[in-house]
Amino acid sequence: NAGVMQNPRHLVRRRGQEARLRCSPMKGHSHVYWYRQLPEEGLKFMVYLQKENIIDESGMPKERFSAEFPKEGPSILRIQQVVRGDSAAYFCASSLAGGPYEQYFGPGTRLTVT
Amino acid sequence: QQPVQSPQAVILREGEDAVINCSSSKALYSVHWYRQKHGEAPVFLMILLKGGEQKGHEKISASFNEKKQQSSLYLTASQLSYSGTYFCGTDPTGTASKLTFGTGTRLQVTL
Repeated sequence: NAGVMQNPRHLVRRRGQEARLRCSPMKGHSHVYWYRQLPEEGLKFMVYLQKENIIDESGMPKERFSAEFPKEGPSILRIQQVVRGDSAAYFCASSLAGGPYEQYFGPGTRLTVT
Repeated sequence: QQPVQSPQAVILREGEDAVINCSSSKALYSVHWYRQKHGEAPVFLMILLKGGEQKGHEKISASFNEKKQQSSLYLTASQLSYSGTYFCGTDPTGTASKLTFGTGTRLQVTL
């Protein structure tokens, strides 16, 4: 029973390039969450999506960042024109339903902007 | 606001007990506890819902006092595998659509 999958695990981008991070939720899960974690810090909520819907994007920067969870395929977090401050670990989590259900985390994508 | 965790760090010898606290300035519907080892994904430990319940998982248990807006995680007879950073995630609405995580408590268990 595969868990949450994320790829790539490591991504290096130069300033100004685009980064695309992918997340496949656990089988049967239709709720996806993206979090960002800076070194030695806690997880910061970015966005909550269900299939084809953004439910809550209050933690997402207004510019350069976007997320989608299409009917088919993985959820994508897209960062345009990356800057050094975007360097972080980006974790995706999924849950069976909305509400107080456990969120299962993927292994994360470590983005480094040079 | 971010919940406050205490202590920030603790070092235990194998077999000792520890308590990690999580306090929020907001009324809470649920509290979620996770453990993260360095360079790895957070691993779910347990959820506590309002109602003051206490939950247990092997030698790890937790309580939730909704009046005080606090939760505590109890680690009994700690093992080396308990080492890691513990995070509480708080949910004021019951939707858990947006967990707000604390800054973490770093736990190191030594021989």
